[in-house]
Amino acid sequence: KQEVTQIPAALSVPEGENLVLNCSFTDSAIYNLQWFRQDPGKGLTSLLLIQSSQREQTSGRLNASLDKSSGRSTLYIAASQPGDSATYLCAVSFYNQGGKLIFGQGTELSVKP
Amino acid sequence: KAGVTQTPRYLIKTRGQQVTLSCSPISGHRSVSWYQQTPGQGLQFLFEYFSETQRNKGNFPGRFSGRQFSNSRSEMNVSTLELGDSALYLCASSLGTGGSNQPQHFGDGTRLSIL
Repeated sequence: KQEVTQIPAALSVPEGENLVLNCSFTDSAIYNLQWFRQDPGKGLTSLLLIQSSQREQTSGRLNASLDKSSGRSTLYIAASQPGDSATYLCAVSFYNQGGKLIFGQGTELSVKP
Repeated sequence: KAGVTQTPRYLIKTRGQQVTLSCSPISGHRSVSWYQQTPGQGLQFLFEYFSETQRNKGNFPGRFSGRQFSNSRSEMNVSTLELGDSALYLCASSLGTGGSNQPQHFGDGTRLSIL
């Protein structure tokens, strides 16, 4: 069964700290992996997409890595800010599943001023 | 460029009724997918449409159906509503599907509450 898992479920850090969010998946046959953030009562905002042939992607203070062989991805957030507080979701597009995304349960991040 | 637009934003229905939700994708996007989000089950895939054809379907009962129009706009219908259908319904659009490696962009969702 194709599954995506995120650890931890919740994380609280002081402002300015660098942090890492983890995502694991059960099948290495993937098209890509996408990281999203979700603010309360809102939809999902796409942060980064890593194709299966890529090792990492960067956007501003965010860096996402992909290790397909071990079924893992990490999202690194540098110099965290209170505005980064949100739920972060990892989603995988597996082979032969078309555009279907399978999501992890998310990590709820709180950055304290 | 306008994002994904979902209407209505909020909806209250009673058990046994039916409901239709609407999604307008980003201009030029041909793929539209629907997801259900609940606190207990998280985000679950409902179905995907590309060029008016259903490409993939999730594990939901036949009460859940959808369609896509020639302008890529999509509607989702739920008949004989049950209390468990209360959820945030999210629509996502993309330039392509599957191996196209195009990111999916989500709307703000429709919050459906069943009384």
